[in-house]
Amino acid sequence: QSALTQPRSVSGSPGQSVTISCTGTSSDVGGYNYVSWYQQHPGKAPKLMIYDVSKRPSGVPDRFSGSKSGNTASLTISGLQAEDEADYYCCSYAGSYRYVFGTGTKVTVL
Amino acid sequence: EVQLVESGGGLVQPGGSLRLSCAASGFTFSSYWMSWVRQAPGKGLEWVANIKQDGSEKYYVDSVKGRFTISRDNAKNSLYLQMNSLRAEDTAVYYCAREVLYSRGNWGQGTLVTVSS
Repeated sequence: QSALTQPRSVSGSPGQSVTISCTGTSSDVGGYNYVSWYQQHPGKAPKLMIYDVSKRPSGVPDRFSGSKSGNTASLTISGLQAEDEADYYCCSYAGSYRYVFGTGTKVTVL
Repeated sequence: EVQLVESGGGLVQPGGSLRLSCAASGFTFSSYWMSWVRQAPGKGLEWVANIKQDGSEKYYVDSVKGRFTISRDNAKNSLYLQMNSLRAEDTAVYYCAREVLYSRGNWGQGTLVTVSS
């Protein structure tokens, strides 16, 4: 049950796009279409942004999108805004009702 | 509105025990899997355990198996985490979360557990 691998940080200017990768194995990311993404602002609880690889919960801006290829999932934030500055975590189903989170990525808006 | 409120955190000595609670409201508690997720200070999120709607199935991350027990009381709309044989590495904020479609759709504000002598 090793954590999924994410870049430590990514950055972009307002209005630009950034993409965060989340690399696992065929036993988690590659084996199921159950990747979710969470946004966490400092001192706050995480918030679900994407589920089932690419679906957005009600209320999440369509600037957030998800995808997956093989053992790597990705979260793209288009039209970056100041309020998007936060930590982002991916999470994948790993079989037998267990889950594994990613290492986390800090998004900085320049 | 879905609300999850954790309680029971605090300072405990290594080898000690603690029981966390999570009070749920705003949804039909008995219809959802529930999870505990933790976050060590300055670190990332770690899924800890989850429990089926009727409590008949429970799953744990390897590092807490045999030491932690997840349970629920659907009559009280409450989720619990009994933590025994606590170690310094169990120090974290513990979040309770409602599982929705293989994701954690709603989260509580968390409760801090500190294991230290």
